[in-house]
Amino acid sequence: EAGVTQFPSHSVIEKGQTVTLRCDPISGHDNLYWYRRVMGKEIKFLLHFVKESKQDESGMPNNRFLAERTGGTYSTLKVQPAELEDSGVYFCASSQDVRGATDTQYFGPGTRLTVL
Amino acid sequence: AQSVTQLGSHVSVSEGALVLLRCNYSSSVPPYLFWYVQYPNQGLQLLLKYTTGATLVKGINGFEAEFKKSETSFHLTKPSAHMSDAAEYFCAVSKETSGSRLTFGEGTQLTVNP
Repeated sequence: EAGVTQFPSHSVIEKGQTVTLRCDPISGHDNLYWYRRVMGKEIKFLLHFVKESKQDESGMPNNRFLAERTGGTYSTLKVQPAELEDSGVYFCASSQDVRGATDTQYFGPGTRLTVL
Repeated sequence: AQSVTQLGSHVSVSEGALVLLRCNYSSSVPPYLFWYVQYPNQGLQLLLKYTTGATLVKGINGFEAEFKKSETSFHLTKPSAHMSDAAEYFCAVSKETSGSRLTFGEGTQLTVNP
């Protein structure tokens, strides 16, 4: 069974440009999460989808970030326009909605975003 | 708000020595506790988790952790380090009142010396 995949693995863009990150969860997982790790800091929650609906987007830093999950399958995270402080590693995770907070989240390898 | 503290951003041990990675949490409600490991160029992989029941939890690759409520700790141990254990380790918590989001510590990079 394929794990969580993320594309691209690396992205280098200039300040002001737009970048779109993609996440493909494990097949059949209704829950999809985005997290971000800024260099030297902890991994922080961004948002949570249940199927195509945003369950919790309280971690999104500002309105330059837009996440979508059309059809409840893959998800995209767009940053527009990108700022220097958006640099970091963006992780996607998915889980089956069996027990909620005790569920195991399966993580992708991350997308390393560098904004110059 | 809940937070997670991992004492020591870098820990170095000799092969065959005890591994001890520390994690303390603060939470106003009973948390669920997780340890994840990240090997180079891979995603985070669950080592073990505590939800309810027995406070000593055994995970993969010979790791275990003990939930100590009185000390608000969930330290990760392994009796004998192997070279393949070199990775970054993350402690995380979740709780029912915050949905299923994970709150992570800053991570501990484990180096195993031959």
